[in-house]
Amino acid sequence: DAEITQSPRHKITETGRQVTLACHQTWNHNNMFWYRQDLGHGLRLIHYSYGVQDTNKGEVSDGYSVSRSNTEDLPLTLESAASSQTSVYFCASSSGPDTQYFGPGTRLTVL
Amino acid sequence: AQSVSQHNHHVILSEAASLELGCNYSYGGTVNLFWYVQYPGQHLQLLLKYFSGDPLVKGIKGFEAEFIKSKFSFNLRKPSVQWSDTAEYFCAVKDTDKLIFGTGTRLQVFP
Repeated sequence: DAEITQSPRHKITETGRQVTLACHQTWNHNNMFWYRQDLGHGLRLIHYSYGVQDTNKGEVSDGYSVSRSNTEDLPLTLESAASSQTSVYFCASSSGPDTQYFGPGTRLTVL
Repeated sequence: AQSVSQHNHHVILSEAASLELGCNYSYGGTVNLFWYVQYPGQHLQLLLKYFSGDPLVKGIKGFEAEFIKSKFSFNLRKPSVQWSDTAEYFCAVKDTDKLIFGTGTRLQVFP
């Protein structure tokens, strides 16, 4: 069965370190998305991609970057982790305008 | 850009009570609307979606939602909730191929 996976599921890091969160989907979807989920804010879009070599900034992109070298993967990098980036991160994918399918999430704590 | 409002932040019900969660989006035209559910410790799952046609949409687990264009609303309903419906519920509207989420409604159902 097709799926979308995220790793690691939990991560603790220190302020200033670079962190990369992995997202891998086997749906063969063109569109991939990264969200963060925070209490009182729901899900906010960080970055998204409509295909290989395409990346776009979302609502809360400062301090984050993504790259899309193949269809299956969209890693999210925190260049210099800050405590404000402590959150739960969800990756999602979709084919065009249809339903987005979400991964299980990564809980990131920045100390 | 589109935006979504969910006015009920926290709802507490007893089993068998009826449920209605409000969702309003910001402007008209053609809209694609979604309700997602997040059970404790799990990722988001699609409950139902509206793209066109019958404004009363049936979803999984007995949920339904009604699209009322004149009110810019897409409220979620269930006639009789169960303890297992305890979860967070997110309304979302599609903006190009991105999803714009509301802040979520936390539903607690007590036996």
